[in-house]
Amino acid sequence: AQKVTQAQTEISVVEKEDVTLDCVYETRDTTYYLFWYKQPPSGELVFLIRRNSFDEQNEISGRYSWNFQKSTSSFNFTITASQVVDSAVYFCALSERGAGGTSYGKLTFGQGTILTVHP
Amino acid sequence: EPEVTQTPSHQVTQMGQEVILRCVPISNHLYFYWYRQILGQKVEFLVSFYNNEISEKSEIFDDQFSVERPDGSNFTLKIRSTKLEDSAMYFCASRTGGRFQPQHFGDGTRLSIL
Repeated sequence: AQKVTQAQTEISVVEKEDVTLDCVYETRDTTYYLFWYKQPPSGELVFLIRRNSFDEQNEISGRYSWNFQKSTSSFNFTITASQVVDSAVYFCALSERGAGGTSYGKLTFGQGTILTVHP
Repeated sequence: EPEVTQTPSHQVTQMGQEVILRCVPISNHLYFYWYRQILGQKVEFLVSFYNNEISEKSEIFDDQFSVERPDGSNFTLKIRSTKLEDSAMYFCASRTGGRFQPQHFGDGTRLSIL
């Protein structure tokens, strides 16, 4: 069964600090997909980044970067030079391909990390 | 940019009543989902829908729940006889083909059972 763990319940930083959100996943599937979503105080879920299990190349997109390591089953997300508007709950999510491609893409979410950025 | 829309934003219902939550997915999307989030907890998968039928459902999605895509644009979640524990935020999501495509979520419907 797939599982996602976000061990950090809450993180508090001061504006302009860098912050890394940790995510560890469990899956028996060899093909899977990882996502990060943001949930601001207004409540909606906003897609941020994604990675598939075949691509361990880490990337930077603006102030966001991510570190995917299959060896440790981790998919960590970093915000550089944090801003007050980054304050939100961040969810890591996993989707499996399923045996024979049988999965229809349901997402399994972690518990979320509450990020507070202080001015 | 196209988006998933959900109505109503907040629904208050007496326990035991039926409730229908409505969603309009993004028009060229093929896969549709419902999730729920009990206050302060993680987002949980309820059901996926593809090619006009349920493709996968969780243990939460029991006989009290049903989904429909009645007219090719709306996607509804019905709870037949609501319980107090059904109080939660319900999110609709949709995506195009390919599991690597991200799911796009609506703003959610907050369901309060009294």
